[in-house]
Formats: sequence, C-alpha cells, structure tokens
Amino acid sequence: DAGITQSPRHKVTETGTPVTLRCHQTENHRYMYWYRQDPGHGLRLIHYSYGVKDTDKGEVSDGYSVSRSKTEDFLLTLESATSSQTSVYFCAISESPPTGELFFGEGSRLTVL
Amino acid sequence: AQSVTQLDSQVPVFEEAPVELRCNYSSSVSVYLFWYVQYPNQGLQLLLKYLSGSTLVESINGFEAEFNKSQTSFHLRKPSVHISDTAEYFCAVSQGGSEKLVFGKGTKLTVNP
Repeated sequence: DAGITQSPRHKVTETGTPVTLRCHQTENHRYMYWYRQDPGHGLRLIHYSYGVKDTDKGEVSDGYSVSRSKTEDFLLTLESATSSQTSVYFCAISESPPTGELFFGEGSRLTVL
Repeated sequence: AQSVTQLDSQVPVFEEAPVELRCNYSSSVSVYLFWYVQYPNQGLQLLLKYLSGSTLVESINGFEAEFNKSQTSFHLRKPSVHISDTAEYFCAVSQGGSEKLVFGKGTKLTVNP
C-alpha cells in the first residue's frame, strides 16, 4: 500500500471555526490532491499540488486553501467552516508525469455543526 | 470540460450472476480511463486502467472493461460476481497528460447471496 496518512481521521467542529486537514506521504510523489466525497456527487477535486509551493484550484475550491511547504505534506484549510463543508475528504498522490493513476488515503470525515 | 456519466447509481445482483456497470465520458481528445473501487469505510483503489493499446483491459480479480471510442464508453463487466465484490465503483477520465482526474458519481454494487 502507498504510504499516505491523513489526520485527523474524524473531526467534529462548529460553524465558523478554522479546520486544517493534513496529508502526509512517504512515496516522494510529485503530485498531491484533495478531493471531497459526498453522496450523489462522487469525488470532486478541491485543490492539487504539482510540487513544493505549487498549487492550483480544482472544481470546488471556494472556501478552501492549501499549502505545500514540503514534498511529503499537503495541508487543506477551511478558514471558517460551514455546514456545507461536512464531507469525507480524501488525499491522493500520483507520480510524474501524471496519468490519472492515483493512490488514496483512508479519508478524513469532517462534521460541521 | 470533461464529464463522466455512470448510468446506474445502484446495481443489485445475486452471487455468481454476471454484472455490467456502465460508464460514458465526454471528451474530444485523447483520454485515459479508469475504474476505481471503494470498499466500505476505505479509500479508493485502482481496479483497472486504459492508457493505450488493447481496448480490453483486465483486473486481477476477474473484472474487465472495454474502451469503445466510437461510443465514448468504458463499461465494467464481470462474468460471475462474489459477495466480496460488494463495493462502490467509480469511473474516471483524464485528458492524456493532464494532472486532473474527473470522477463519475459512482455505482453501488450489492451482491446478494
């Protein structure tokens, strides 16, 4: 299994509070991704990174920011959580050049009350 | 923009019956195609992929998918399913060389005894 660790795995928070989810990889892969999974929507890309300090938006990036200061870590931040951000968040990694073959973490379940 | 349509959100079948999970995509350029599987409370894992070459691709656990360019389809099939195949299956597409993968909304396969 690819070495991908997400933390925390479960979090309950209140509306308006900041939340940071962490993805850590031991594979030295260049590309890292954050997806959210919601019933009836499949997986939707939030942000991705193609190198240290190099990031770009996905299709549902509003309300989220990311940072990548090291190859192995990719952080997803919700500056002010809303109930619509209740979801399961998945981190994924891929090699370079990208082909679409992703390795996923186990997911982080976030509940915003 | 690319899109992926999985025509069935849920597919119930009996054990040892054949199954087909349908996937259509929209893209006018060269694409890479994937099927990912998600077992309960786990992340996604790659089941099979089409990058180039033979249009029929197979997985190690008996699934196969055929790339049909004229019909823009990549249906997943298995001639005889097991209880352990119960999972959610996601079709995904990327433009050749693109770092972005677009997922369908998923098909929940339930195999009943």
